[in-house]
Amino acid sequence: QVHLVQSGGGLKKPGASVKVSCEASGYTFTSYGINWVRQAPGEAFEWMGWISGYNGHADYAQKFKGRVTLTIDTSTTTAHMELRSLTSDDTAVYYCARGGVDAALMAFWGQGILVTVSS
Amino acid sequence: DIQMTQSPSTLPASVGDRITITCRASQNINNWLAWYQQKPGKAPKLLIYKASTLERGVPSRFSGSGSGTDFTLTISSLQPDDFAVYFCQQYNAYPWTFGPGTKADIK
Repeated sequence: QVHLVQSGGGLKKPGASVKVSCEASGYTFTSYGINWVRQAPGEAFEWMGWISGYNGHADYAQKFKGRVTLTIDTSTTTAHMELRSLTSDDTAVYYCARGGVDAALMAFWGQGILVTVSS
Repeated sequence: DIQMTQSPSTLPASVGDRITITCRASQNINNWLAWYQQKPGKAPKLLIYKASTLERGVPSRFSGSGSGTDFTLTISSLQPDDFAVYFCQQYNAYPWTFGPGTKADIK
């Protein structure tokens, strides 16, 4: 069965960077892309970007362009999300989610990782 | 960006009730709409995609309809396991955007 296990995150100071990893198992990693979304307290989900598991091509939401980098490591079947120049507005639970019949769908989700930005 | 709204924000209901949740897009998204269920402290679960296609393993009491800008999620007979938050997602155009959620609450 498909599993996405996330790690990283935690408490960060304003201006710092955070890296969240998403280790995938139970499927052919290169056959599906990974979406990254976040949910701030009391807010709707927000899509940050998508990365192909095949060739590492990434699409980013305009809001995050220049501040977020998505990467993959096919040898470890892991996707990574790095967000830089953190502010308190970046406090949220960050999720990776694998695509389904459409790459845009979030058919399988990681458990979510809390990133708290505070001085 | 395409804005997604949902109504109601909270839906008090009882086991066995038929409930309907509405999702509206700020512009035409054809039928590129998904519905998810989220329980407290858990990751969401995909229920429906392409407005009306049931994801594998999702009970048939869930159904979706609509196209263009107006969509609905219906649960034909609410079960105890269905008390949760439901939200929609459009994937017609980047950036994918989500509705704020509707909480199906115990009446």
